[in-house]
Formats: sequence, C-alpha cells, structure tokens
Amino acid sequence: EVQLVESGGGLVQPGGSLRLSCAASGLTFSDYYMDWVRQAPGKGLEWVGRSRNKANSYTIEYAASVKGRFTISRDDSNNSVYLQLNSLKTEDTAVYYCARALTATTRGLGYWGQGTLVTVSS
Amino acid sequence: QSVLTQSPSASGAPGQRVTISCSGSSSNIGSNNVYWYQQLPATAPKLLIYGNNQRPSGVPDRFSGSKSGTSASLAISGLRSEDEADYYCAAWDDSLSGRVFGGGTKLTVL
Repeated sequence: EVQLVESGGGLVQPGGSLRLSCAASGLTFSDYYMDWVRQAPGKGLEWVGRSRNKANSYTIEYAASVKGRFTISRDDSNNSVYLQLNSLKTEDTAVYYCARALTATTRGLGYWGQGTLVTVSS
Repeated sequence: QSVLTQSPSASGAPGQRVTISCSGSSSNIGSNNVYWYQQLPATAPKLLIYGNNQRPSGVPDRFSGSKSGTSASLAISGLRSEDEADYYCAAWDDSLSGRVFGGGTKLTVL
C-alpha cells in the first residue's frame, strides 16, 4: 500500500523559511512524478509544483505564485520529496499536501499525504 | 479567481443524479486530460476521475466524467449522504505550464 507522510510544518514569521518533507512507501519511487498542493484555510486547492520522474530528467515545475521562493527537491534513495519555502508571506499559510501520480504513466494525483499546516504570522 | 470555473454549490436528494460542471479554455481542458477530486471534510483530496472519464480502482461506477471541448462534467447518480463533499476539477494548463484546479463545488445532499 502506498503511503505518503508529510512533516515539517509549523509557525513561522513573515520572511522566514521552512522545509517540508514527504516520505513515501513503496518501490520504484523514481518512476513517479511527485506534486505539492496547498490549501489555504477555508479555500480551494492550489497547485504548488512538481518534480517529474527519472525518465523525464527530474524536471521541476512551479506555480507562478511560488516560483523563485519555493524549491522542490527529491531523494530517490530515501523515497522522499522536499519543499523548501523561503521568503514566506502571510498568504502562504495553508495545509501543504504532497501527492503522487496514480501510476507511472497517468498524471492524476492518486495518492495524498495527510497534509502539514504552515502558518505564516508575526 | 481560479483558471477553471465551477459553480460554488450543488445539491440533490438521496437517489437523485447531480452534475457538476467545469469550464476552462483551449490551453487546459481543451487540450489536456481532466481530473476530478473529492474532498470530504477535514481530509485529503481523493482522485475520483482521471483521463477525463476513467475511474481508479475502488471508485463506484455511480461517479462518471465526461469532456466536450473546453468543458467537463462530473455526474453522480444514486446520490448518497456520504457523497456530501467538495469536488474539484483539474487539468494541466499549457500556457501556464502548471496544473490548475477549479474553485471547487460544495455538494449538499438534502
């Protein structure tokens, strides 16, 4: 069974930084795209970015709202993906989910973590 | 303002059929697959439909998806109380080079 477990959320001041981690169970982690999606309190889903799989050169793509401030990385040896959040703003307050594609060839996000809350406030 | 447009709410009585629509453009729905997610209160989203009309294993066939041009729809038949949730459409947007979501539709089972 595929499981995703996020960690690293918390309270941070505006302008601060935080690093989120997502540990995945299961084999052949390198076959899968890994996404980050966030949800502000009471709001809808917002795509943050993704790491493509090994076959697609681990290309990283970001939403315009976070490009230049957030960085996605992955460590296939540890079945983990990371989200470095820098220059945080109050509007970055959200639950951050990591998600994995359903299969290696479909792009629907079939597996989600439980989410980790990031609160940006002074 | 979401790139994909959904009605904020929908409702139906148990046993009825309800349809949730999602409107986009040529750069997203018009040229890429559509996905639908269900989010129950205080839980992570769940993939309901991928590839416009495919159901992952375990998703009941009461849920069906369709796409026409730059719009897509999610239909739920035989409505049940446990279907009360938020529903989101999503697609890749070639212009934005990113995944885009609809604003979500809150489904109420009367």
